[in-house]
Amino acid sequence: DAGITQSPRHKVTETGTPVTLRCHQTENHRYMYWYRQDPGHGLRLIHYSYGVKDTDKGEVSDGYSVSRSKTEDFLLTLESATSSQTSVYFCAIKSENTEAFFGQGTRLTVV
Amino acid sequence: GIQVEQSPPDLILQEGANSTLRCNFSDSVNNLQWFHQNPWGQLINLFYIPSGTKQNGRLSATTVATERYSLLYISSSQTTDSGVYFCAVLIQGAQKLVFGQGTRLTINP
Repeated sequence: DAGITQSPRHKVTETGTPVTLRCHQTENHRYMYWYRQDPGHGLRLIHYSYGVKDTDKGEVSDGYSVSRSKTEDFLLTLESATSSQTSVYFCAIKSENTEAFFGQGTRLTVV
Repeated sequence: GIQVEQSPPDLILQEGANSTLRCNFSDSVNNLQWFHQNPWGQLINLFYIPSGTKQNGRLSATTVATERYSLLYISSSQTTDSGVYFCAVLIQGAQKLVFGQGTRLTINP
């Protein structure tokens, strides 16, 4: 266990509703990441954080926002969920010059 | 941006066989990791290998950073080795991990 927890693990929501996914770490890692995994696309970076209140976009950031108000929590928000955001979402943590560790994933279904 | 290509995309083997998975990347990287995603979706760290060779039991990995590729070797395959194997590279100058598309390995008994 790399000290990383995602919540919820599963969620079904309706189109147009806001959704927030949480990533919590107990390891004090500087960097935190949100990825989505879809068939045929592997894992694609949505947003990442390099410190408290410091975030940057990844390759598929449209429709997503993030916040990191403290070291241990990185939140991913879908302001208005769409069916194209149905996916499995993974959070990852790492420090400088160390390997990344992934959470167990959140399966999100937008109906 | 950097391109990460894995080959083959799919591999089906009998138990006991050996396999080699390849990861090519298009630009200089700071580091490289190999992951195994098991049938339950969990991503398991295999190797953190910027260069050189590492071994862990039946698995070993080699990264030749100057030639921009890495290889993952699995010997004496077992059915529990089935799943998807990903390589991910850390872009120089940024702490972003970029993933390849993965190799789906199926080991039949």
